Amino acid sequence: SQQGEEDPQALSIQEGENATMNCSYKTSINNLQWYRQNSGRGLVHLILIRSNEREKHSGRLRVTLDTSKKSSSLLITASRAADTASYFCATAPSGGYQKVTFGIGTKLQVIP
Amino acid sequence: DGGITQSPKYLFRKEGQNVTLSCEQNLNHDAMYWYRQDPGQGLRLIYYSQIVNDFQKGDIAEGYSVSREKKESFPLTVTSAQKNPTAFYLCASSLGGKNTEAFFGQGTRLTVV
Repeated sequence: SQQGEEDPQALSIQEGENATMNCSYKTSINNLQWYRQNSGRGLVHLILIRSNEREKHSGRLRVTLDTSKKSSSLLITASRAADTASYFCATAPSGGYQKVTFGIGTKLQVIP
Repeated sequence: DGGITQSPKYLFRKEGQNVTLSCEQNLNHDAMYWYRQDPGQGLRLIYYSQIVNDFQKGDIAEGYSVSREKKESFPLTVTSAQKNPTAFYLCASSLGGKNTEAFFGQGTRLTVV
């Protein structure tokens, strides 16, 4: 079963707008990670947030984590056409951090 | 260049045949993983290995087998027992600690004909 579930499953925005994707999960976690996948390619790691952190930034990316609600969000500011990809959240459970499990992803389309 | 390499990129298999997917990394990572990706289902964990000569089943291990005889290599065999093997297979590696990122290969697309 999937640990994380992203919302929305698909998102289409204009270049320059911000994109927000959400992830919910079910069990307690050690960390939560966001990955990006271009069509037909492997995944690329974007950012990792630990369970004791609430917010993290990396360039145009901002990730928040609310462990009480078991949810996370990924914000991409000032989106570009090159940001078009699928974005996945992945969780490392507290009881077995090796078993990182992925959600079904959000497909983002940025229109030039 | 350091990285993780999967081969082949495309693989065709006849029903009833076993097939082995290759995954090699030169990142000196202890942990390696195999995931399967189907449309609309995200990634599902098949097997993972935290150290040489040891591996654990993931969520969908039935019909698959792995070995970890060398740190750099984690081949996946899709056996004839796997009922629906057509999928995109992704291999990943990481340092293996609690808060480490995974590095992915470019994937192998397996099609049963």
